[in-house]
Amino acid sequence: QITLKESGPTLVKPTQTLTLTCTFSGFSLSTSGVGVGWIRQPPGKALEWLALIYWDDDKRYSPSLKSRLTISKDTSKNQVVLIMTNMDPVDTATYYCAHTKAGLMYGFDIWGQGTVVTVSS
Amino acid sequence: DIQMTQSPSSLSASVGDRVTITCRASQTIGSYLNWYQQKPENAPKLLIYAASSLQTGVPSRFSGSGSGTDFTLTISSLQPEDFATYYCQQSYSTPRTFGQGTKVEIK
Repeated sequence: QITLKESGPTLVKPTQTLTLTCTFSGFSLSTSGVGVGWIRQPPGKALEWLALIYWDDDKRYSPSLKSRLTISKDTSKNQVVLIMTNMDPVDTATYYCAHTKAGLMYGFDIWGQGTVVTVSS
Repeated sequence: DIQMTQSPSSLSASVGDRVTITCRASQTIGSYLNWYQQKPENAPKLLIYAASSLQTGVPSRFSGSGSGTDFTLTISSLQPEDFATYYCQQSYSTPRTFGQGTKVEIK
């Protein structure tokens, strides 16, 4: 059974750096064809795709946020980390991590419960 | 970025109704289109991938169709548990953009 869980601060100040961790079980990011992505959702708004990392360390970023995002994996800990710099109140959202498979035909099939991040001074 | 546009933004329907939601991509994406259901305070749930493939465990009243730029999610007979917001997402290119959502409400 695949599960994912996001963790990190609930409140960050403007200009600070956000570090979110996705801890997962039921699969390994060293297995060929596996990926983990990050998606966020501002309150009352739509989903926004942020970043994705694959088993082979191939990394993809949203172009509009690429300068602020870093995604990495720690295979031994079954974790994926997302770092977002220069946080702004508009970054207030629920942040989700999710499992996917490599290949264009696959969506995010298993999601974490999400973690709420508020950006405020 | 590929823009995904859903219509309608919201709809009201009754239990038993046939419901259709449309998603249009700003450029061709083949069949690389996914549909999700999201209920309040919950994470999205994958319903359909590759435009028409039903995710394991999803009821057969859900179906997807389309290719190129125009796609449809159909619920053949709306059930009480189907009242939710539905999102399409393209997986053809990075960033793998989502539509703005369609809220299905009780009539």
